[in-house]
Amino acid sequence: NAGVMQNPRHLVRRRGQEARLRCSPMKGHSHVYWYRQLPEEGLKFMVYLQKENIIDESGMPKERFSAEFPKEGPSILRIQQVVRGDSAAYFCASSPPGPQPEAFFGQGTRLTVV
Amino acid sequence: GDSVTQMEGPVTLSEEAFLTINCTYTATGYPSLFWYVQYPGEGLQLLLKATKADDKGSNKGFEATYRKETTSFHLEKGSVQVSDSAVYFCALSEGGSEKLVFGKGTKLTVNP
Repeated sequence: NAGVMQNPRHLVRRRGQEARLRCSPMKGHSHVYWYRQLPEEGLKFMVYLQKENIIDESGMPKERFSAEFPKEGPSILRIQQVVRGDSAAYFCASSPPGPQPEAFFGQGTRLTVV
Repeated sequence: GDSVTQMEGPVTLSEEAFLTINCTYTATGYPSLFWYVQYPGEGLQLLLKATKADDKGSNKGFEATYRKETTSFHLEKGSVQVSDSAVYFCALSEGGSEKLVFGKGTKLTVNP
């Protein structure tokens, strides 16, 4: 059973471009979470999704950021018109349904905005 | 809101030394507490957890006890190895919530 797969591992974008980060959860996992880690900071929750539904997006910036988890395919975190402050490591985690499930993390995507 | 504070790093120890990484939390209810470890180039892995007061989580020689009276969940290991070199994150989740609140992480380096 492959772990949580994130791609790309490294992404460089110029200011104003769009960034698309992909996350394939572990087999059998229907819950996906995205976290952002700024330099010298801990991971900050962004959004929690189940298949085709956003459950909690309380950590998402109000503008330029969006996330989806379609019925088929990976979860996508999309950042439009990137700015230097978006440079960070973005981690995806997945878990199965059920009470207090363990979340399994991917290796992260390191986004650099130049 | 909920928050986690863990000791600043980096921490450098010699092999077989005793390790303590302090972690305290602020929460409105009764959170579950976690320690995650991130080895170089890898994602975070759950190291141990405790879901109620006085529970002790343990794994791979690491231990942490949920202390409600001091709102703490300090990580300890009696004898560290070079292979324990990693970044350690303390985290909590509040009352059935799916999301985790993390500390800033503590980088541990163990020298032979």
